[in-house]
Amino acid sequence: KNQVEQSPQSLIILEGKNCTLQCNYTVSPFSNLRWYKQDTGRGPVSLTIMTFSENTKSNGRYTATLDADTKQSSLHITASQLSDSASYICVVTSNGGATNKLIFGTGTLLAVQP
Amino acid sequence: EPEVTQTPSHQVTQMGQEVILRCVPISNHLYFYWYRQILGQKVEFLVSFYNNEISEKSEIFDDQFSVERPDGSNFTLKIRSTKLEDSAMYFCASSEVAGDIYEQYFGPGTRLTVT
Repeated sequence: KNQVEQSPQSLIILEGKNCTLQCNYTVSPFSNLRWYKQDTGRGPVSLTIMTFSENTKSNGRYTATLDADTKQSSLHITASQLSDSASYICVVTSNGGATNKLIFGTGTLLAVQP
Repeated sequence: EPEVTQTPSHQVTQMGQEVILRCVPISNHLYFYWYRQILGQKVEFLVSFYNNEISEKSEIFDDQFSVERPDGSNFTLKIRSTKLEDSAMYFCASSEVAGDIYEQYFGPGTRLTVT
């Protein structure tokens, strides 16, 4: 069964600190892995997309890594800001059907405190 | 910047009633999707739609659900005979193409509350 698991479930950090969020997946066939940011009551917004051959991708203060062998990914947030408070969702795309199907993780709820 | 819009933002309905959730995808996009997120749970794929027909659907998308593109701009999700467990946030998304790395852009969601 295709699954995406994330840890920790929630995290509290102080403004200015760094943090790393983890994602493990068992999805086949694998197409790509995305990290989304979802503010409360809003739709997910894409941060990064990585294909099988990419090990790392950055978007400003966000850096995602992918190890396709161990089926693990991480999202590192540098110098956190209050506006980073949100749910961060790891999403794996499976291209086994007519269209690419996004398989969502449960998310990590990040709270950045002043 | 173009964005996906959804109406209404919040819909309250009584059990057994029919609801229609509306979405306006980004204008040059050809692929459309509906997702559901029950409070506190993960986002779940419901259905994808291309060229006026369903491309793929999940096991959640049973006969209670239907989708339609009634005109050149709107994309709707109809839920017949709503149940309490249909209460969730419903997200519409669209993409230019369905290729591996093409982005799906999500709307802000409609919160459906079934009482």
